[in-house]
This record gives sequence, C-alpha cells and structure tokens, in this order.
Amino acid sequence: GAVVSQHPSWVICKSGTSVKIECRSLDFQATTMFWYRQFPKQSLMLMATSNEGSKATYEQGVEKDKFLINHASLTLSTLTVTSAHPEDSSFYICSARDAAGLQPQHFGDGTRLSIL
Amino acid sequence: AQSVTQPDIHITVSEGASLELRCNYSYGATPYLFWYVQSPGQGLQLLLKYFSGDTLVQGIKGFEAEFKRSQSSFNLRKPSVHWSDAAEYFCAVGINNNDMRFGAGTRLTVKP
Repeated sequence: GAVVSQHPSWVICKSGTSVKIECRSLDFQATTMFWYRQFPKQSLMLMATSNEGSKATYEQGVEKDKFLINHASLTLSTLTVTSAHPEDSSFYICSARDAAGLQPQHFGDGTRLSIL
Repeated sequence: AQSVTQPDIHITVSEGASLELRCNYSYGATPYLFWYVQSPGQGLQLLLKYFSGDTLVQGIKGFEAEFKRSQSSFNLRKPSVHWSDAAEYFCAVGINNNDMRFGAGTRLTVKP
C-alpha cells in the first residue's frame, strides 16, 4: 500500500533554532501533501496544504513565515519551523494524496518536536 | 459549516467484548468518510473508508463501519476487541479532494 515516510521522528532543540521536517511518499507520486499539528490528547489540525511546484495554502491563523513549506518534487515536501520557541512544541504529521487526486490521505508517522 | 463529532472522548471495554465508536457529521451532501487509528506517538493508519455503494464497509483488523444517511452517522464497530486495539480512533470527513476534517478522537482502553 501507499507509504509516507516522515523524518525525523523526534527532535529536541534549543529555542531559536530552525527545524526542518521531511515528508516523503515512497511508492507513489503526491501532487498534494498536507501538514497537520496535533496537541496532546487532541485531534489533528490542518496547518497547510502543500502543492508540488507552487506555493502552499495556509489555514487561517497559521503563520506562513513561521512555518515554511516547500514541495519541490512529487515525492517530497518539507516543513521548516523557523526560530522555534517552546510554544511550537507539538506533534507534526504529514499526509499525502496520490497524483490521481483520490482520497484517502496516507499519513506519515509524525514528528515529535520539543523546543527547550 | 462542515463538522465531525465523536461524542465519546474515552471508552473502556473488556477484551473480547464488542465495540462501537460513534461518529456524526454535518455536511450538505454525501461526503467521503474515514476511520483512522493512532497508536501513541505514531501517525494515523487508515482502517476503512466509504465513498459510495454498500453502506456497510469492511476494514482492516476486523473493523467495520456503517454509513447511515438518515442519521448522518458512520459508526465504527468490532465484534470482539483485542488488547492491541487500545489506541485513539479518529473519524474523518473528506469534503472534496483537498478538504479533510477530523473528529476530536475517541480513546479506547481495553481491560484484560
């Protein structure tokens, strides 16, 4: 089945550091990838939709300059949390949909980001 | 506005007992419907999906769900729960090929 790989799975870093998270579709081409944020014991909140070769579409309230998204190829999207602060600590999950544009989305295993 | 409601935040069942997790949605047309499971610290795994056709959908791990248009529901069921089923379960609605909304999740605890 469709596999989405997310890396790293866990990162701890100091406040002020920028952190890059990668999301790769391993066995299919993904024209669209999605980035979610999940707080403890809560549901997933869509942050942005990443479209290959074009600018990402951000949800209301999500700072595009804070959360930089790049989708340079059909198999890779990256989320960079710039100048991260403790309040950015969260579980970030990516998902991807194949190039045919059909649901469902296939999810990565998530990245636990802890900012000290 | 489109929404997904999972009324039960936490459910505890005994191993071997039957399970039903509730999901209601609010949308003007028939949406795409999904159930995902999430183990602690991990991503989401798709259990099953409904797009059209037979309203009783079979999924992986012995789960099934039934779409009831009159009740705007898509409840997840399993006849006999195993200890390994303990996890967080999310119902999701796909409004179109881009927009997916998740319920708040139901945490399942399985008693020995």
